[in-house]
Amino acid sequence: EAAVTQSPRNKVAVTGGKVTLSCNQTNNHNNMYWYRQDTGHGLRLIHYSYGAGSTEKGDIPDGYKASRPSQENFSLILELATPSQTSVYFCASGDASQISNERLFFGHGTKLSVL
Amino acid sequence: GEQVEQLPSILRVQERSSASINCTYENSASNYFPWYKQEPGENPKLIIDIRSNMERKQIQGLIVLLDKKAKRFSLHITDTQPADSAMYFCAASRSNTGYQNFYFGKGTSLTVIP
Repeated sequence: EAAVTQSPRNKVAVTGGKVTLSCNQTNNHNNMYWYRQDTGHGLRLIHYSYGAGSTEKGDIPDGYKASRPSQENFSLILELATPSQTSVYFCASGDASQISNERLFFGHGTKLSVL
Repeated sequence: GEQVEQLPSILRVQERSSASINCTYENSASNYFPWYKQEPGENPKLIIDIRSNMERKQIQGLIVLLDKKAKRFSLHITDTQPADSAMYFCAASRSNTGYQNFYFGKGTSLTVIP
């Protein structure tokens, strides 16, 4: 199965601090995504990327930046963390192709608490 | 965007009975409908999907139905087992150049009672 690894698995941050969540995939997928998961909201898209050097805004990008320095790595950056950003964050890679629908492969998530 | 409504949010069934989860979507351009299972503390995993050129798909005890006219799709788990207890998410997506927009339902927490 496709491998997507997130770090850290758990993070406690202070309000106003900077937080970086990292994601690495060994699938050679072009597309990568960051979602957050909150009770009552399901999975919501924050940022995504088509490939190295590209980042695009998803549905809820405010307060977040993203960075895709290479095919394998995609980071989510909270420059000034707020308690409302307490959530579980999932990274995913997607096997988009010209001939079939893209399937998503998720990492195990990062549980972030902002105090 | 897109709204995907998923019901019920909580489902409890007896072992060996069937469980059904229903989702509706808004955008008629949506053409791919995956279902993900997420066990506690784990990542969501794709368990079955259906494309818009199909009305029914079955993988072992999982059945997915798609009604494009009603913009509705559903997951049916037959002969449920305690191992089926998990959170289930539906999603609707449509193709864009190079990637797909995925919109997820809010999830259904399924408990199979032994």
